[in-house]
Order: sequence, then structure tokens, then C-alpha cells
Amino acid sequence: DTAVSQTPKYLVTQMGNDKSIKCEQNLGHDTMYWYKQDSKKFLKIMFSYNNKELIINETVPNRFSPKSPDKAHLNLHINSLELGDSAVYFCASSQGRGRNYGYTFGSGTRLTVV
Amino acid sequence: GDSVTQMEGPVTLSEEAFLTINCTYTATGYPSLFWYVQYPGEGLQLLLKATKADDKGSNKGFEATYRKETTSFHLEKGSVQVSDSAVYFCALLIQGAQKLVFGQGTRLTINP
Repeated sequence: DTAVSQTPKYLVTQMGNDKSIKCEQNLGHDTMYWYKQDSKKFLKIMFSYNNKELIINETVPNRFSPKSPDKAHLNLHINSLELGDSAVYFCASSQGRGRNYGYTFGSGTRLTVV
Repeated sequence: GDSVTQMEGPVTLSEEAFLTINCTYTATGYPSLFWYVQYPGEGLQLLLKATKADDKGSNKGFEATYRKETTSFHLEKGSVQVSDSAVYFCALLIQGAQKLVFGQGTRLTINP
């Protein structure tokens, strides 16, 4: 019944590795997002997709590559992981641009790079 | 650019105290305004929203009024409970824009 689900919930990996985080929403929303929350709790958007089309790419290193196979899924692949990538990554979705109803967030993926 | 500024935390109160968390915004258009809450170890949940000036959003005893003249959306609750301990985020969404912009978050701790 989870509206926006992310896997895995925790991810510990070594520097230089490549990892993926998956996100799925069952709300029928047409727009999905990735946000990064740093250690001070600050939230910043990374990417946004609307109906599988990339519409926002916020000065994120090329090592981060989102992929949306369909409008219910938005995955995040990270190459050559660095210590500074350690954060909590949140997936979210909205109907349209979310002006009236806001976004629905997943429970987050805590990535720790060692 | 568009931005949100929240009062510095952490905020610590006793149970049944009155809560105010200040939020002001800068926006080039006419934003919708939101408060989200993040409980420990969890994702963000929408607490309340307001989409136009003078609207009041309310939920679970929390309220916030969209004040265009002061560009503010302060969160209030008359009597807080221990279970309200969380991080609260104010956010805005500009009409026609594609992204929700968050304030820095305010950590609230309620002591019994």
C-alpha cells in the first residue's frame, strides 16, 4: 500500500563503487523527483521527470544518472561514489507540478560511502 | 531567486506549550506554501498547505496562514505534545515552476 517506495533503505558502500537506488510510486502521478538531504537536514532537488522526460537537472555531477523506464518508476544510478555523496536521498512524486497538493515523499535511502 | 527562511533551531518546549515556527519567503511569482514534517528516521509528510493569500492551512492542531503582505507562513500549535517532536520544513512552489523549494528545517523537541 506504500505510495512512494524506495529501495534499499540503507546502503553502505566503498568509495569508487557504482550503486543504484530504485523508486516506485503507485499514486498514478505523472511527475517524479529525487532530492538529496545533507547531514544538516537541508533538502535540495536533484532531478525531476515528467512522464519519463527529464525536466530538471540541478547542477548535479555527471556521476549521477536518473532513469525513468515508465512514469511510475524513477531510479538513480551513481558511478564512482565519493565520500561527499553520503546523504539521505528521497524520491517524491506529484500530480502535475504539485501546486495544489504538494509532493508525496518516500521514506528515504541513507547512503554511506566509506 | 526563490527561497525560504525558517527560524533557527533547535526549539525545545515543554508539553502543552504554545508553538510558533517562523517562516518567510522570497518569490518571483505567486507561490503555494507548505509545511512538511519529518519524524526521526522517516520521510517527509505533508502537514498542511495554502495556495493563495489569506488561506489558512490546518491539520492535527497545527495552523499556518498565508500572509502575502509580510511574505510569511508561520506554523503554530496551541498545545504541543511529545509526539510532535520532529523536524519541520517550510516550502514553496511557484506557479509554473517545477520544483519545491525548502527552508533549512527546524528541529523541535517537546519534553514531558
